[in-house]
Formats: sequence, structure tokens, C-alpha cells
Amino acid sequence: DVKVTQSSRYLVKRTGEKVFLECVQDMDHENMFWYRQDPGLGLRLIYFSYDVKMKEKGDIPEGYSVSREKKERFSLILESASTNQTSMYLCASKTGKMKPQHFGDGTRLSIL
Amino acid sequence: DQQVKQNSPSLSVQEGRISILNCDYTNSMFDYFLWYKKYPAEGPTFLISISSIKDKNEDGRFTVFLNKSAKHLSLHIVPSQPGDSAVYFCAPSENTDKLIFGTGTRLQVFP
Repeated sequence: DVKVTQSSRYLVKRTGEKVFLECVQDMDHENMFWYRQDPGLGLRLIYFSYDVKMKEKGDIPEGYSVSREKKERFSLILESASTNQTSMYLCASKTGKMKPQHFGDGTRLSIL
Repeated sequence: DQQVKQNSPSLSVQEGRISILNCDYTNSMFDYFLWYKKYPAEGPTFLISISSIKDKNEDGRFTVFLNKSAKHLSLHIVPSQPGDSAVYFCAPSENTDKLIFGTGTRLQVFP
């Protein structure tokens, strides 16, 4: 079974802080994704990566950046956290075309 | 501009009956359609998928139907069980690795 692990289940930070969310997958998947989930809005794609050191903007990249230095690890960075970034953050990975993405359990981030 | 709509935010069904969850989309270029199930405090779990060359795919109690002309997708669960109570998301994609998620439908299956 694919295992996608997000480093924290719950995180509380203050506005203006730089925040790192980490995601690791153990199946050698090429593609990795970061989403946020908000009530009534479903899952929205922030950034994704096709390979090491490659990144693509998703639908809502503003205020975020990402890093993929190793194939198994994909980090989401909030450069200067703001209260409107309080959300559930979900990481996913996949390999190949016409294949499902596999998700981690999410990080619930609160920005105070 | 919502490309994917799940117009029913919630659905309540009695155990043993059929649950039908619906999804409408606007992008005719979508070629791969997935359904995910999500329990509270967990990540979404892949349930079933269908490619645009098919109109039906079945996996046990779960069947997905695709009507391309109507741009409509539905998930049938029969018989419904209390453990099926969760939020269900449809998520199409267009020849890429990106998924576009609907807003979800909360299914409650009661005894």
C-alpha cells in the first residue's frame, strides 16, 4: 500500500511566521501535490511537482512556495503566514497516467 | 468559474437502500473521472474511477456512470451501509495529472 505521511496532524502558528509543511511518500512516485481543503470549496490545488526540483503552480499558489529536493519529499512553505491560510492541508502522490492520487491524512493548520 | 459541481451538499439514506451521488462538469476535455471518499480527520481515499471511453464501471457495491453528452457523472452505492457515511468528492482530470475536485456531498447512512 502507498503511504503518504504528513509530518504534523495539527499545527498552530502566528501571523508573519514562515511555516513549513512536510510530506513524504514511500512508493517512488514521480508526481506530488499540495491541496488545501476549506468548507464548501472542496480541495484546491496549490502546487504540484512532476519530478525532483520541478514545480508547477496550481490554482491558488499565492502566498505559498514549494521545495522538492528529493523524490520522496515535497515541502509546502508559507512565506509569511496570514490568518486566511488557516485550513486543512493535504499532500498527495501518484505515478503514471490514468492513476489515482494517494493522500496523506492532512495537517490542520491554524494561523493566529 | 466552477468546472465541477456537486449540487447536493448532503444526502441521507437508509441502510440497505441505494445511494446516488451526482456530479456535473463543464469541461468536455475531461477524460478521466475519479471518486474519493473522505472521513473526518483523514485524507481522501480513492474509491473508483472511469475513463471517458466507458460509460459504466463497477466495483463491488460501487458503480460509476458517465454520461458524456450530459456532462454528468454519478456514483451508485448499493446496498448502502453505515460505514459508507462520509464526504464524497468527484474529481475529473484532463489528460494531465491534475484533478479538479467538486465541493463534495456528505452522505449519511442511517440504520
